[in-house]
Amino acid sequence: DAKTTQPPSMDCAEGRAANLPCNHSTISGNEYVYWYRQIHSQGPQYIIHGLKNNETNEMASLIITEDRKSSTLILPHATLRDTAVYYCIVRVPRGAGSYQLTFGKGTKLSVIP
Amino acid sequence: KAGVTQTPRYLIKTRGQQVTLSCSPISGHRSVSWYQQTPGQGLQFLFEYFSETQRNKGNFPGRFSGRQFSNSRSEMNVSTLELGDSALYLCASSDRTGGNTIYFGEGSWLTVV
Repeated sequence: DAKTTQPPSMDCAEGRAANLPCNHSTISGNEYVYWYRQIHSQGPQYIIHGLKNNETNEMASLIITEDRKSSTLILPHATLRDTAVYYCIVRVPRGAGSYQLTFGKGTKLSVIP
Repeated sequence: KAGVTQTPRYLIKTRGQQVTLSCSPISGHRSVSWYQQTPGQGLQFLFEYFSETQRNKGNFPGRFSGRQFSNSRSEMNVSTLELGDSALYLCASSDRTGGNTIYFGEGSWLTVV
């Protein structure tokens, strides 16, 4: 299974961009990269996902390198409410349309006032 | 559009008992997956159901089971509860297309005493 590597923790000043890196060097061509975040005691919140191209939505931008071995999640203007654990996940197909999300330990992002 | 709904939100059971948790996916979503989250093991995949059939299963003992109904609602059951089954149980739903978005519910907190 494609594994992901993320720094265990990061700090970001409020109002600045938060850039969260993720390595997924063993990713296969048909495996998507997903980003979720989880605030304590709540279910993971979907942020964004992509396959090859960079993606942007109202929450964040996802930059995937050309070789797809790494990606960066960008929160353009971090707020205190963005403090959470951020998970970078590779969705692994399991045949017959089934898939599996394998979570690592994520990055604990602390947004500092 | 309503999100993924899980019930009950919190429950306490005694060792040896069994428990049933319920998940209502987002309207139109036919795939439901279950995950267990504990402080020690993180988020781990339990199983996925699609069209009332289990499509994929994680590495959990047979005490963990599930089912899906024709309206896509799903239940998971844990029999002969052990202290180590205390966890946050999360349900995720998707429409199972190629680059689909996968949404999680808020989870059910199970405490086994």
